[in-house]
Amino acid sequence: DAGVIQSPRHEVTEMGQEVTLRCKPISGHNSLFWYRQTMMRGLELLIYFNNNVPIDDSGMPEDRFSAKMPNASFSTLKIQPSEPRDSAVYFCATGRSNQPQHFGDGTRLSIL
Amino acid sequence: AQKITQTQPGMFVQEKEAVTLDCTYDTSDPSYGLFWYKQPSSGEMIFLIYQGSYDQQNATEGRYSLNFQKARKSANLVISASQLGDSAMYFCAMLHNFNKFYFGSGTKLNVKP
Repeated sequence: DAGVIQSPRHEVTEMGQEVTLRCKPISGHNSLFWYRQTMMRGLELLIYFNNNVPIDDSGMPEDRFSAKMPNASFSTLKIQPSEPRDSAVYFCATGRSNQPQHFGDGTRLSIL
Repeated sequence: AQKITQTQPGMFVQEKEAVTLDCTYDTSDPSYGLFWYKQPSSGEMIFLIYQGSYDQQNATEGRYSLNFQKARKSANLVISASQLGDSAMYFCAMLHNFNKFYFGSGTKLNVKP
């Protein structure tokens, strides 16, 4: 079975540019989570969806961040405009209710 | 409020010895799940073991076991016969309300040859 697929694996861009991170969940998983991991703040939950509906976006740092899940097989996390402090590894994880999450390999984002 | 606490930022263990990584949690919900993940230096997050709040027995998966003490709200991970490949960050996590995950700050384990 294919795991959670994230793209791109690495992204380097200049501040002010729009960044779009993509996630394809494991088929049949009805929950999807976006996390950000930095050395300073550890693993932070940004937003999660259940059955494609955003349930809790309280972790989204500010209005520059937005996430969508238009269907059960695709989600995006967008940063516009990007800033150097957004540099981090962004993980997408999916699961079924009450089951462990399976993580993608992450997107390593560097904003110059 | 802090939901998951891992008090050991770093641990050392000799190869082939057992090691316990501590995790305490906070919840008033009777139904929850506890998980451990491993994150090697390559960065991926690997699920290791799961314990449900109603499970009567401690979970085991190969060399991993979870020492679940419900009254103390602790869910320590025990790794037996440590191997060099066990060197990694280890995260404890709790599933709450069937959908929301809380992660601890992690413990960096170094296995010495």
